[in-house]
Amino acid sequence: GDSVTQMEGPVTLSEEAFLTINCTYTATGYPSLFWYVQYPGEGLQLLLKATKADDKGSNKGFEATYRKETTSFHLEKGSVQVSDSAVYFCALTQAGQNFVFGPGTRLSVLP
Amino acid sequence: EPEVTQTPSHQVTQMGQEVILRCVPISNHLYFYWYRQILGQKVEFLVSFYNNEISEKSEIFDDQFSVERPDGSNFTLKIRSTKLEDSAMYFCASSGAWGAGETQYFGPGTRLLVL
Repeated sequence: GDSVTQMEGPVTLSEEAFLTINCTYTATGYPSLFWYVQYPGEGLQLLLKATKADDKGSNKGFEATYRKETTSFHLEKGSVQVSDSAVYFCALTQAGQNFVFGPGTRLSVLP
Repeated sequence: EPEVTQTPSHQVTQMGQEVILRCVPISNHLYFYWYRQILGQKVEFLVSFYNNEISEKSEIFDDQFSVERPDGSNFTLKIRSTKLEDSAMYFCASSGAWGAGETQYFGPGTRLLVL
């Protein structure tokens, strides 16, 4: 079945550092790809998405590009803040199917 | 901004007891979902629901689980006889349409602890 793999965490960065969280997927069709974020004590919030190859999703300074050739959807941010500390989940969905989530990557940003 | 709400935020129960987790999806959404996240593990799909029927369910969603939309606003997940391994965070989600690219909006979750 479909699956999502993310880089192992936790990731610890200093404020204003560059962030990359790797995400790769395995899917039989042409999925849509998502990044969700879970702040401490809260639910899952959509961060960004891309629905077809070469699309770039962006929000709050975060970006991810749907790369079909490498089956990847890596999350990047140029300058992280302490408030970005959270768990980040990469996920995919295919037409008419439920979401498949990666294991999550915990990010801690130190002041 | 409309949001999905869930009650209770925390539930502690004894093994073998029934629990009902409640969700109020976004009001104009038609598709509803339950997921769970065992502590430290990934978010797993349980069930999807549309037009008062289950659309899809995972292997986890066995006969101990059931879902219901008892009125126009609530969507519930019932666990008939809880087991220790049911301890997890349960997330409700809803979406306005069905298909690739449709965002699912998640509630804050109910943390269930079975003793």
